[in-house]
Amino acid sequence: GAVVSQHPSRVICKSGTSVKIECRSLDFQATTMFWYRQFPKQSLMLMATSNEGSKATYEQGVEKDKFLINHASLTLSTLTVTSAHPEDSSFYICSKPGTGRADTQYFGPGTRLTVL
Amino acid sequence: QKEVEQNSGPLSVPEGAIASLNCTYSDRGSQSFFWYRQYSGKSPELIMFIYSNGDKEDGRFTAQLNKASQYVSLLIRDSQPSDSATYLCAVNILRGGSEKLVFGKGTKLTVNP
Repeated sequence: GAVVSQHPSRVICKSGTSVKIECRSLDFQATTMFWYRQFPKQSLMLMATSNEGSKATYEQGVEKDKFLINHASLTLSTLTVTSAHPEDSSFYICSKPGTGRADTQYFGPGTRLTVL
Repeated sequence: QKEVEQNSGPLSVPEGAIASLNCTYSDRGSQSFFWYRQYSGKSPELIMFIYSNGDKEDGRFTAQLNKASQYVSLLIRDSQPSDSATYLCAVNILRGGSEKLVFGKGTKLTVNP
């Protein structure tokens, strides 16, 4: 069964508003979770690594003040897209490391964000 | 050179045939290699991982790794229409002092009944 859930699965918002996406680990606690973004017909691009109890690590070119990540518990990481614009419309997917080998990753079902 | 490269396809094979998907990577230090399947509108699903040179079989899937050639492939035997999806190759690459999972753009596979 699924080991990672995301909510909401789909969201449509107006330009300038903020949107929060939740990512939950359903089986084991996850001190680390990852946030990816995928534009149509493009590959997954890692945005940031979410660390429980500490600041997220952002990839080069990702604005940390625009994409706020909070990993307040061992089972929940949230991504808030602040002041969303149409160019932020994308498929946002979180993942967590596997329990056997940490270099495997298991993905949540994703959140489709459309900014009007 | 891109870190992970795949032929974007589309690749079409008849039902029952062998589908062969290829991937090359740039970082000689990479140690972990993954194949994910992604159906349209869905998130990626891990189907195979391989760490050692050679072949690794799991049901109808065989992953092949050649570190000297920096090449990893996925064979799907007895292809079924339900195998139609985009297949993403992913490689662990050292970047910025830590390992990151880097994905290719994916190869779109269509299995025709």
